Amino acid sequence: GESVGLHLPTLSVQEGDNSIINCAYSNSASDYFIWYKQESGKGPQFIIDIRSNMDKRQGQRVTVLLNKTVKHLSLQIAATQPGDSAVYFCADTLPNTGNQFYFGTGTSLTVIP
Amino acid sequence: EAQVTQNPRYLITVTGKKLTVTCSQNMNHEYMSWYRQDPGLGLRQIYYSMNVEVTDKGDVPEGYKVSRKEKRNFPLILESPSPNQTSLYFCASSLAGVSYEQYFGPGTRLTVT
Repeated sequence: GESVGLHLPTLSVQEGDNSIINCAYSNSASDYFIWYKQESGKGPQFIIDIRSNMDKRQGQRVTVLLNKTVKHLSLQIAATQPGDSAVYFCADTLPNTGNQFYFGTGTSLTVIP
Repeated sequence: EAQVTQNPRYLITVTGKKLTVTCSQNMNHEYMSWYRQDPGLGLRQIYYSMNVEVTDKGDVPEGYKVSRKEKRNFPLILESPSPNQTSLYFCASSLAGVSYEQYFGPGTRLTVT
């Protein structure tokens, strides 16, 4: 099986600072990882993904780091803005499981103006 | 506008009364999926579909049915709802399975009394 967990249920950061949200997964065979953002009252929104053959991937103001040795995934948000306040989920999949996704419980990020 | 729509958005029903939550996408996506979201448990996958007439169980399929007769629609059926199915439900779609970002609908808040 597979389980995904986030290290902190809540995180508060000052506007303009960088945010780091951490996630751990249990199955070393996990081969694809995704970060989602969920704003209040809305469905999750894709942020960035990374495959297991990569260690790092960058998007606009976001970076995902994958450490397969310790089965750890992190999302870094640069220059955090009030609009970044939301719940962030990591998710992963296993090969040969037929496109089944496993989600973490989410970290609620609050940006302090 | 590219989107995933769900109906109804809110539903209060009684135990045992069959109900259907509809999901439709206008992006010609092959992959569609249903999730339930509960506090402290995150998103859990109920069923998913790789294409028309192809459906598979996710993590928590008990008490649910789905069908995929058309590419754009993926209804979730609760034949005999029970209070433990009170939850927030999300439908999602993606271009082709796990390798592509999923687009989520706005959610359906279901209460079973």
